[in-house]
Amino acid sequence: GEDVEQSLFLSVREGDSSVINCTYTDSSSTYLYWYKQEPGAGLQLLTYIFSNMDMKQDQRLTVLLNKKDKHLSLRIADTQTGDSAIYFCAESSTGGSYIPTFGRGTSLIVHP
Amino acid sequence: EAGVTQFPSHSVIEKGQTVTLRCDPISGHDNLYWYRRVMGKEIKFLLHFVKESKQDESGMPNNRFLAERTGGTYSTLKVQPAELEDSGVYFCASSRLNTEAFFGQGTRLTVV
Repeated sequence: GEDVEQSLFLSVREGDSSVINCTYTDSSSTYLYWYKQEPGAGLQLLTYIFSNMDMKQDQRLTVLLNKKDKHLSLRIADTQTGDSAIYFCAESSTGGSYIPTFGRGTSLIVHP
Repeated sequence: EAGVTQFPSHSVIEKGQTVTLRCDPISGHDNLYWYRRVMGKEIKFLLHFVKESKQDESGMPNNRFLAERTGGTYSTLKVQPAELEDSGVYFCASSRLNTEAFFGQGTRLTVV
């Protein structure tokens, strides 16, 4: 199976919360990342969490990590149409290289 | 500070032709990475340069792909001859040692 798995699509109504889930297989993962790709743009690092943390909050974004289950989630509060994008989960088990391994990406569609 | 720049943004070529993609990293970033995303799939690591040296090229699909980084500045990724399955978005990223990688906007390659 894939090293990083995430669902392909999520559709939410504007103003609701979005939760994008991700599972990974590498138990030695040190960093877990969420990247955002808007149409026609590059990959933007949204947030990341160290593997020794359970939660990280940054304005409307909340990242939850369940290391035992190797499950990562990204919650976007008060989702706006501008949040429509592809969200990639990634992990790196460093060894000093910090090369992330990505999932397939979840397309978030926000409708009025 | 300029970000990672990739050229061209789009390329459409015929099967059997040659295409060269270029990446200009952020100035001072010794690490340079190439990734590829085939439609609907995960973003896959291709290779990693540290300055002009190939640190890890385990992700290169086959010998039709040649990456160079002469002088340790910009990098090129040449595909010769291109095949239909080479279509996808090619991302470049750069970073300083042991820090976050910044991604370019990607080059969308279509082989027809």
